[in-house]
Amino acid sequence: DTGVSQDPRHKITKRGQNVTFRCDPISEHNRLYWYRQTLGQGPEFLTYFQNEAQLEKSRLLSDRFSAERPKGSFSTLEIQRTEQGDSAMYLCASSSPSDSGNTIYFGEGSWLTVV
Amino acid sequence: AQSVTQLDSHVSVSEGTPVLLRCNYSSSYSPSLFWYVQHPNKGLQLLLKYTSAATLVKGINGFEAEFKKSETSFHLTKPSAHMSDAAEYFCVVSDLVNFGNEKLTFGTGTRLTIIP
Repeated sequence: DTGVSQDPRHKITKRGQNVTFRCDPISEHNRLYWYRQTLGQGPEFLTYFQNEAQLEKSRLLSDRFSAERPKGSFSTLEIQRTEQGDSAMYLCASSSPSDSGNTIYFGEGSWLTVV
Repeated sequence: AQSVTQLDSHVSVSEGTPVLLRCNYSSSYSPSLFWYVQHPNKGLQLLLKYTSAATLVKGINGFEAEFKKSETSFHLTKPSAHMSDAAEYFCVVSDLVNFGNEKLTFGTGTRLTIIP
């Protein structure tokens, strides 16, 4: 499978714990995105990388959230001191201007439940 | 600011009958518009996209959408519904913002139910 891969697919954690999600984009896609989707809502933009540079962050991304893409390939999204309001699906996506006119491809998401 | 409004949160149709999912958009510039589908516990799959070429866009699985600038609409249609079409559908608008970021703004979704 050469699509966007996310790990873990499901995570249950206690409030106050830290969690980390990993995203492997489609090979050679230089753009990578994180979105968050809560129940009954559409996904909301969190942050954007072009290669290893984080170029945009949403106001939704509080100080407890940090995303990295150290070598311009895979990315991690860490949530520190989780709160119940962080329960959501975290979607990763990737794109490249040379691939179908920068069509954005999404992974299957990582479900987070904070108890 | 860009936004989309999906006019129906839930649509039910019988198998074999036409599907119409309605979407209106608001954008400061010439937008790119998309429809994505999300099956239960799955990620988002692109159905089709409009990027200022032909106003009638054909997508996968027999879906198509028509861009109507005068009505600021981008409704999704399919002539004959299939059971496998049951899913959540999102209308999405995109503007190019900083550093080439194609920032997507999603609607709240329309849940499509197919009645056997």
